[in-house]
Amino acid sequence: GENVEQHPSTLSVQEGDSAVIKCTYSDSASNYFPWYKQELGKGPQLIIDIRSNVGEKKDQRIAVTLNKTAKHFSLHITETQPEDSAVYFCAAVYTGGFKTIFGAGTRLFVKA
Amino acid sequence: ETGVTQSPTHLIKTRGQQVTLRCSSQSGHNTVSWYQQALGQGPQFIFQYYREEENGRGNFPPRFSGLQFPNYSSELNVNALELDDSALYLCASSLAGDSSYNEQFFGPGTRLTVL
Repeated sequence: GENVEQHPSTLSVQEGDSAVIKCTYSDSASNYFPWYKQELGKGPQLIIDIRSNVGEKKDQRIAVTLNKTAKHFSLHITETQPEDSAVYFCAAVYTGGFKTIFGAGTRLFVKA
Repeated sequence: ETGVTQSPTHLIKTRGQQVTLRCSSQSGHNTVSWYQQALGQGPQFIFQYYREEENGRGNFPPRFSGLQFPNYSSELNVNALELDDSALYLCASSLAGDSSYNEQFFGPGTRLTVL
Protein backbone atom coordinates (compact mmCIF):
# COMPACT_ATOMS: atom_id res chain seq x y z
CA GLY A 1 0.00 0.00 0.00
CA GLU A 2 0.94 3.63 -0.04
CA ASN A 3 3.49 4.58 2.58
CA VAL A 4 5.96 7.38 3.29
CA GLU A 5 8.85 6.72 5.66
CA GLN A 6 10.60 9.70 7.25
CA HIS A 7 13.94 9.88 9.11
CA PRO A 8 15.09 10.92 11.61
CA SER A 9 12.20 11.25 14.04
CA THR A 10 14.17 13.78 16.08
CA LEU A 11 17.00 16.07 15.01
CA SER A 12 18.97 18.47 17.17
CA VAL A 13 21.41 20.95 15.62
CA GLN A 14 23.35 24.04 16.67
CA GLU A 15 22.22 27.37 15.33
CA GLY A 16 23.93 27.98 11.99
CA ASP A 17 24.37 24.31 11.17
CA SER A 18 22.51 22.47 8.42
CA ALA A 19 19.65 20.02 8.91
CA VAL A 20 18.69 17.21 6.56
CA ILE A 21 15.48 15.17 6.67
CA LYS A 22 15.00 12.18 4.39
CA CYS A 23 11.86 10.47 3.10
CA THR A 24 11.09 7.42 1.02
CA TYR A 25 7.79 6.74 -0.72
CA SER A 26 6.41 3.43 -1.89
CA ASP A 27 4.05 4.11 -4.77
CA SER A 28 5.53 5.18 -8.08
CA ALA A 29 2.20 6.89 -8.89
CA SER A 30 3.24 9.75 -6.58
CA ASN A 31 4.23 12.81 -8.55
CA TYR A 32 4.05 15.76 -6.17
CA PHE A 33 6.03 16.05 -2.93
CA PRO A 34 5.25 18.88 -0.50
CA TRP A 35 7.02 19.59 2.79
CA TYR A 36 5.17 21.07 5.75
CA LYS A 37 6.22 22.78 8.97
CA GLN A 38 3.94 22.42 11.97
CA GLU A 39 4.32 24.59 15.03
CA LEU A 40 2.64 23.89 18.34
CA GLY A 41 -1.09 24.50 18.22
CA LYS A 42 -1.15 25.18 14.49
CA GLY A 43 -1.95 23.31 11.33
CA PRO A 44 0.81 22.27 8.91
CA GLN A 45 2.14 25.04 6.68
CA LEU A 46 3.65 24.38 3.26
CA ILE A 47 7.29 25.46 3.13
CA ILE A 48 8.44 24.03 -0.20
CA ASP A 49 7.30 21.48 -2.77
CA ILE A 50 8.71 19.61 -5.75
CA ARG A 51 7.09 17.95 -8.73
CA SER A 52 8.22 14.70 -10.25
CA ASN A 53 9.68 16.30 -13.38
CA VAL A 54 12.20 18.28 -11.29
CA GLY A 55 15.23 16.95 -9.42
CA GLU A 56 15.97 19.88 -7.14
CA LYS A 57 14.35 23.10 -5.95
CA LYS A 58 15.68 25.84 -3.70
CA ASP A 59 14.04 28.71 -1.83
CA GLN A 60 16.46 30.81 0.22
CA ARG A 61 17.73 28.58 3.07
CA ILE A 62 15.51 25.63 2.13
CA ALA A 63 16.12 23.11 -0.65
CA VAL A 64 14.48 19.85 -1.64
CA THR A 65 15.88 17.06 -3.80
CA LEU A 66 14.03 14.20 -5.49
CA ASN A 67 15.36 10.90 -6.80
CA LYS A 68 12.46 9.23 -8.59
CA THR A 69 14.40 6.08 -9.40
CA ALA A 70 15.19 5.44 -5.75
CA LYS A 71 11.88 6.96 -4.57
CA HIS A 72 13.77 9.22 -2.17
CA PHE A 73 13.31 12.90 -1.44
CA SER A 74 15.06 15.11 1.08
CA LEU A 75 14.73 18.50 2.77
CA HIS A 76 17.83 20.57 3.43
CA ILE A 77 17.79 23.60 5.73
CA THR A 78 20.97 25.65 5.84
CA GLU A 79 22.04 28.26 8.41
CA THR A 80 19.41 27.03 10.86
CA GLN A 81 17.85 29.50 13.28
CA PRO A 82 15.98 28.91 16.56
CA GLU A 83 12.71 29.80 14.83
CA ASP A 84 13.21 26.80 12.54
CA SER A 85 12.44 24.59 15.55
CA ALA A 86 9.20 22.75 14.75
CA VAL A 87 7.90 19.43 13.43
CA TYR A 88 8.50 18.88 9.72
CA PHE A 89 6.46 16.50 7.58
CA CYS A 90 7.17 15.18 4.12
CA ALA A 91 4.28 14.03 1.98
CA ALA A 92 3.56 12.31 -1.30
CA VAL A 93 0.53 13.19 -3.41
CA TYR A 94 -0.88 10.61 -5.76
CA THR A 95 -1.95 11.11 -9.34
CA GLY A 96 -5.15 13.09 -9.44
CA GLY A 97 -4.16 15.08 -6.38
CA PHE A 98 -6.87 13.75 -4.13
CA LYS A 99 -4.81 11.77 -1.64
CA THR A 100 -1.85 13.03 0.36
CA ILE A 101 0.23 10.54 2.37
CA PHE A 102 2.30 12.08 5.16
CA GLY A 103 5.45 10.83 6.82
CA ALA A 104 5.50 10.45 10.60
CA GLY A 105 7.32 13.75 11.12
CA THR A 106 10.72 15.00 12.29
CA ARG A 107 10.97 17.12 15.39
CA LEU A 108 13.76 19.65 14.76
CA PHE A 109 15.44 21.44 17.66
CA VAL A 110 17.77 24.31 16.83
CA LYS A 111 19.91 25.23 19.84
CA ALA A 112 21.03 28.83 20.18
CA GLU B 1 -8.18 36.94 2.08
CA THR B 2 -9.58 34.80 4.90
CA GLY B 3 -7.67 31.65 5.84
CA VAL B 4 -9.06 28.24 6.72
CA THR B 5 -11.00 28.24 9.97
CA GLN B 6 -12.26 25.32 12.02
CA SER B 7 -14.72 24.99 14.87
CA PRO B 8 -14.75 24.15 17.64
CA THR B 9 -11.12 24.34 18.73
CA HIS B 10 -11.54 21.71 21.43
CA LEU B 11 -14.22 19.13 22.10
CA ILE B 12 -14.73 16.40 24.69
CA LYS B 13 -17.12 13.53 24.00
CA THR B 14 -17.81 10.12 25.49
CA ARG B 15 -17.56 6.78 23.76
CA GLY B 16 -20.58 6.00 21.56
CA GLN B 17 -21.54 9.62 20.99
CA GLN B 18 -21.60 11.45 17.67
CA VAL B 19 -19.65 14.57 16.75
CA THR B 20 -19.73 17.18 13.97
CA LEU B 21 -16.68 19.27 13.14
CA ARG B 22 -16.81 22.29 10.85
CA CYS B 23 -14.45 23.88 8.38
CA SER B 24 -14.62 27.08 6.38
CA SER B 25 -12.33 26.95 3.39
CA GLN B 26 -10.12 29.76 2.19
CA SER B 27 -11.83 32.27 -0.06
CA GLY B 28 -11.93 31.05 -3.66
CA HIS B 29 -11.11 27.42 -2.84
CA ASN B 30 -13.44 24.63 -4.02
CA THR B 31 -11.84 21.52 -2.49
CA VAL B 32 -11.67 20.43 1.13
CA SER B 33 -9.71 17.50 2.57
CA TRP B 34 -9.98 16.16 6.10
CA TYR B 35 -7.15 14.55 8.07
CA GLN B 36 -6.83 12.84 11.44
CA GLN B 37 -3.60 13.50 13.33
CA ALA B 38 -2.93 11.34 16.37
CA LEU B 39 -0.47 12.63 18.94
CA GLY B 40 3.10 12.40 17.66
CA GLN B 41 2.10 11.18 14.21
CA GLY B 42 1.60 12.58 10.75
CA PRO B 43 -1.85 13.50 9.45
CA GLN B 44 -3.85 10.59 7.99
CA PHE B 45 -6.07 11.31 4.99
CA ILE B 46 -9.77 10.72 5.72
CA PHE B 47 -11.48 12.01 2.57
CA GLN B 48 -11.70 14.88 0.12
CA TYR B 49 -14.69 16.81 -1.19
CA TYR B 50 -14.81 18.61 -4.51
CA ARG B 51 -17.88 20.53 -5.60
CA GLU B 52 -20.01 18.88 -2.92
CA GLU B 53 -19.05 15.31 -3.90
CA GLU B 54 -16.66 12.93 -2.15
CA ASN B 55 -13.61 12.80 -4.41
CA GLY B 56 -11.49 10.18 -2.64
CA ARG B 57 -11.28 8.37 0.67
CA GLY B 58 -8.57 6.96 2.91
CA ASN B 59 -8.75 3.86 5.13
CA PHE B 60 -11.44 5.08 7.49
CA PRO B 61 -14.70 3.25 8.31
CA PRO B 62 -18.12 4.47 7.11
CA ARG B 63 -18.88 5.99 10.51
CA PHE B 64 -16.64 8.83 9.29
CA SER B 65 -18.72 10.85 6.86
CA GLY B 66 -18.70 14.34 5.46
CA LEU B 67 -20.51 17.05 3.63
CA GLN B 68 -19.51 19.99 1.51
CA PHE B 69 -21.88 22.90 1.07
CA PRO B 70 -22.44 25.20 -1.93
CA ASN B 71 -20.19 27.82 -0.31
CA TYR B 72 -17.49 25.08 -0.12
CA SER B 73 -17.50 24.92 3.66
CA SER B 74 -17.48 21.39 5.02
CA GLU B 75 -18.43 19.16 7.92
CA LEU B 76 -16.88 16.00 9.26
CA ASN B 77 -19.23 13.70 11.14
CA VAL B 78 -18.09 10.80 13.26
CA ASN B 79 -20.66 8.35 14.67
CA ALA B 80 -20.26 5.81 17.47
CA LEU B 81 -17.11 7.47 18.82
CA GLU B 82 -14.30 5.20 20.00
CA LEU B 83 -11.41 6.03 22.32
CA ASP B 84 -8.99 5.79 19.38
CA ASP B 85 -10.83 8.63 17.64
CA SER B 86 -9.14 11.03 20.05
CA ALA B 87 -6.94 13.17 17.80
CA LEU B 88 -6.45 16.53 16.12
CA TYR B 89 -8.74 16.80 13.11
CA LEU B 90 -7.41 19.03 10.35
CA CYS B 91 -9.11 20.34 7.29
CA ALA B 92 -7.27 21.73 4.31
CA SER B 93 -8.66 23.66 1.38
CA SER B 94 -7.28 24.02 -2.12
CA LEU B 95 -8.33 25.16 -5.55
CA ALA B 96 -8.73 22.27 -7.96
CA GLY B 97 -8.17 23.18 -11.56
CA ASP B 98 -6.45 21.87 -14.63
CA SER B 99 -3.38 21.03 -12.56
CA SER B 100 -3.72 17.98 -10.34
CA TYR B 101 -1.49 19.39 -7.66
CA ASN B 102 -2.55 22.42 -5.75
CA GLU B 103 -1.23 23.79 -2.49
CA GLN B 104 -3.36 22.83 0.48
CA PHE B 105 -3.93 25.41 3.18
CA PHE B 106 -4.54 23.88 6.58
CA GLY B 107 -6.73 25.14 9.38
CA PRO B 108 -5.58 25.08 13.02
CA GLY B 109 -7.50 21.88 13.73
CA THR B 110 -10.08 20.67 16.22
CA ARG B 111 -8.74 18.70 19.19
CA LEU B 112 -11.23 15.87 19.92
CA THR B 113 -10.95 13.92 23.15
CA VAL B 114 -13.09 10.79 23.58
CA LEU B 115 -13.50 9.56 27.17
